[in-house]
Amino acid sequence: EVVMTQSPVTLSVSPGERATLSCRASQSISSDLAWYQKRPGQAPRLLIYGASTRATGIPARFSGSGSGTEFTLTISSLQSEDFAFYYCQQYHNWPPITFGGGTKVEIK
Amino acid sequence: QVQLQQWGAGLLNPSETLSLTCAVYGGSFSGYYWSWIRQPPRKGLEWIGEINHSGVTNYNPSLKSRVTISIDTSKNQFSLKLNSVTAADTALYYCARVRQGWLSYYFDSWGLGTLITVSS
Repeated sequence: EVVMTQSPVTLSVSPGERATLSCRASQSISSDLAWYQKRPGQAPRLLIYGASTRATGIPARFSGSGSGTEFTLTISSLQSEDFAFYYCQQYHNWPPITFGGGTKVEIK
Repeated sequence: QVQLQQWGAGLLNPSETLSLTCAVYGGSFSGYYWSWIRQPPRKGLEWIGEINHSGVTNYNPSLKSRVTISIDTSKNQFSLKLNSVTAADTALYYCARVRQGWLSYYFDSWGLGTLITVSS
């Protein structure tokens, strides 16, 4: 099973600043990685797939990068609606599909 | 735009069977795989399994012995059963649509989640 590790667990950022979230895979997963956003009371939302491709309707301030075992989600200028939980998910080696433990982006 | 609406009993006793159903509105039903995912309190997401319109399933090996996912194409619904539940099965359960293809597998639409609590 591919273990996904996200860091940091909590990221405190001021509105308008950049946020950088990390996701590490226990083995190489090529670019087979997706990112999701989860706000309280809402369904998770797909942000990125293929490590760097934005899903339909996702603002350009969200960008993904990386390949192999190290991946990054960057939010270039945090808006109020971006304070949420973020999860990475690998689909290179499955079953099972596996997710990271999540990063909470909170207001500093 | 596809919408997923899910429901099921929220409070179970240990050893009972968890039962959830997810209805899909809008978009194609037969052209996709459909999945269940859960999130225990203060933990990450865990993939439970998937099914397609033909009833082909794949399960998480860690849950495979207790899980059954089924589909009713006449109603555009799919269901989850998890038997012999324990407190460790307490979680927020989501249904989701899978975008599966060559070199891709991700979830592009999700239900709002159903909180399942297992307690005596």
